[in-house]
Amino acid sequence: LAKTTQPISMDSYEGQEVNITCSHNNIATNDYITWYQQFPSQGPRFIIQGYKTKVTNEVASLFIPADRKSSTLSLPRVSLSDTAVYYCLVGEPGGFKTIFGAGTRLFVKA
Amino acid sequence: KAGVTQTPRYLIKTRGQQVTLSCSPISGHRSVSWYQQTPGQGLQFLFEYFSETQRNKGNFPGRFSGRQFSNSRSEMNVSTLELGDSALYLCASSLEMGRGRNYEQYFGPGTRLTVT
Repeated sequence: LAKTTQPISMDSYEGQEVNITCSHNNIATNDYITWYQQFPSQGPRFIIQGYKTKVTNEVASLFIPADRKSSTLSLPRVSLSDTAVYYCLVGEPGGFKTIFGAGTRLFVKA
Repeated sequence: KAGVTQTPRYLIKTRGQQVTLSCSPISGHRSVSWYQQTPGQGLQFLFEYFSETQRNKGNFPGRFSGRQFSNSRSEMNVSTLELGDSALYLCASSLEMGRGRNYEQYFGPGTRLTVT
C-alpha cells in the first residue's frame, strides 16, 4: 500500500490559489489518487480523484505528473470556508485498506 | 437525497462496557465502511461490508466487530471498552465496493465515543 506524505499545515489568504502537494513514491499501477476535505466534527468529503495527467471539477483541479509519484491538489481562489484538513489517499478506489495520512491543515485568513 | 446518518452522535461509556453504533447509508448504496479517527492515529480503516458480508478488515482487535443488514444498514460493536477507544467513529457508504474509476465514499457525521 502506497504511503503518502503531505505538508502538515499551510496558510493562505482569501482569493489566493492554494496548491497542496502529496508525495506517493510507491504508487502501484492500479492505484488512483483521491483527495478528501474534512471540517471539524464532520466526516471527510470527497473532492476529486484522478489516475494521471489533469482532472478538474467544479471545486478543484488535480495535477498528476507522468511518473505519478506525486500529485497536487489546486484550490482556486480560496475562501475562509475552505479552512479544513485535506487528505491525499492512494490506492485502489474503495473502502478496503484505505489509508488516510495525517492530512494537511489549511488555514485561510481574511 | 438523504446523506449517511449515524446514531447516536455522542456517547459516553465506561471501561469494560460495550457499545453499538449504527449507520444508515445513502439510499441505494450497498457498501458501508467504518473508520476510527483519533488525534494521535488519524483516520484508520476498521472494516467494510457489502451485501451483508464483511469484505475487508483493518488492523483492529477482535473487540471491534460489525454487521450489515439486508437493507444495507450497518452496525459496529466494540466490546470491553478501553480508554483508547475514545474516538470519532465514521461510517461511509458507496454504491459499490472494490475497483472502480469513480468510486466515491460519502461519510456520515460520525459518532463521538468517550470512554471514561
